[in-house]
Amino acid sequence: DVKVTQSSRYLVKRTGEKVFLECVQDMDHENMFWYRQDPGLGLRLIYFSYDVKMKEKGDIPEGYSVSREKKERFSLILESASTNQTSMYLCASSRPSGRTGNEQFFGPGTRLTVL
Amino acid sequence: GENVEQHPSTLSVQEGDSAVIKCTYSDSASNYFPWYKQELGKRPQLIIDIRSNVGEKKDQRIAVTLNKTAKHFSLHITETQPEDSAVYFCAAPRTGNQFYFGTGTSLTVIP
Repeated sequence: DVKVTQSSRYLVKRTGEKVFLECVQDMDHENMFWYRQDPGLGLRLIYFSYDVKMKEKGDIPEGYSVSREKKERFSLILESASTNQTSMYLCASSRPSGRTGNEQFFGPGTRLTVL
Repeated sequence: GENVEQHPSTLSVQEGDSAVIKCTYSDSASNYFPWYKQELGKRPQLIIDIRSNVGEKKDQRIAVTLNKTAKHFSLHITETQPEDSAVYFCAAPRTGNQFYFGTGTSLTVIP
């Protein structure tokens, strides 16, 4: 049974706090992704990584950073949380596939509220 | 994702009726189109996908059709059941192994 886990299901933080969201996959996938999900906006890509130590900005990277020190773990960091970062955060992983694309396996999500 | 448009945003059907959700994409080189289902409070999960070398794929009550000329693909659910109620997302590939996701369709099946 494939598994992508996220460190918290619900998180409440204060404005200005540094926030760490962790994602772990046990499928030995090279690719890992962080999305935020907001009503009416679908899934928007924040950052992604195709290998350890590698990271690339997605469509909305401002205010976020990531860390991939180990293949199975991809962390999303909110350097100084703001109220507009209140959202559902989804992590995903996939095998590399060239141009074709492969199924992405999602974590259960972390609902972050910034007060 | 601005390169994938999904319609409708909400859909209500009577149990037993069919539901159709449509997505259009812009990159003619796209060749893999997955559909994800997200039940309330749960993670998105792949329910069906299609590659560009076929025009239709079916799995029991769900099917996906692809029209490469018109650059659109659709999800068809027949004989809908209450457990089909969920948000459905389409996706189309972008550079590398990333996807553009549609904005989602909230399907409600009325018993």
